[in-house]
Amino acid sequence: AQKITQTQPGMFVQEKEAVTLDCTYDTSDQSYGLFWYKQPSSGEMIFLIYQGSYDEQNATEGRYSLNFQKARKSANLVISASQLGDSAMYFCAMREGLGFQKLVFGTGTRLLVSP
Amino acid sequence: NAGVTQTPKFRILKIGQSMTLQCTQDMNHNYMYWYRQDPGMGLKLIYYSVGAGITDKGEVPNGYNVSRSTTEDFPLRLELAAPSQTSVYFCASSYSKGGGGAPEQYFGPGTRLTVT
Repeated sequence: AQKITQTQPGMFVQEKEAVTLDCTYDTSDQSYGLFWYKQPSSGEMIFLIYQGSYDEQNATEGRYSLNFQKARKSANLVISASQLGDSAMYFCAMREGLGFQKLVFGTGTRLLVSP
Repeated sequence: NAGVTQTPKFRILKIGQSMTLQCTQDMNHNYMYWYRQDPGMGLKLIYYSVGAGITDKGEVPNGYNVSRSTTEDFPLRLELAAPSQTSVYFCASSYSKGGGGAPEQYFGPGTRLTVT
């Protein structure tokens, strides 16, 4: 069964607008972590934000915030005030348990920011 | 700090050849990983290591071998290369102490491998 689902293959947004990238996950563990990574056209993987399953508050990192809805098993990434440099692939990933660091990735969403 | 470095950046192999992808990290991280990324897909874990001398299989280990003799290095060996191994390979590292925390994985720049 697919553990991380990203249903939006591509998203378009205008510069300075906010955009939400969807991510749903499947796990029977009580302890897990959710990550978002950005992959620009140059290919490197850049860590953006992390949410632990026990964190009560939604994670925020600058213009990035993670809308964590545990009951719905969703961990959507919100980018506020989009910039041209935000154009990239975005991957949601999950780590199950606390002891291991293995990440399972979704298939990604390509975001294009237009002027 | 160079972070995670990988060599080579690009490589073309013929079917049946072997090669080793090198990965080195200078952050004293205990965990290291190898992923592959096929076109249009997310990353899949090949092997990982929780410390020197300890390795384990990930989701897609067939056709690969690893070793971890030092904290810094985690080479990935491809034996008898096949076209199905054409992919971009990423090495990553992270630090974990007693589990938990927010140990994001730091990725290398990737190696683009083509097997023809």
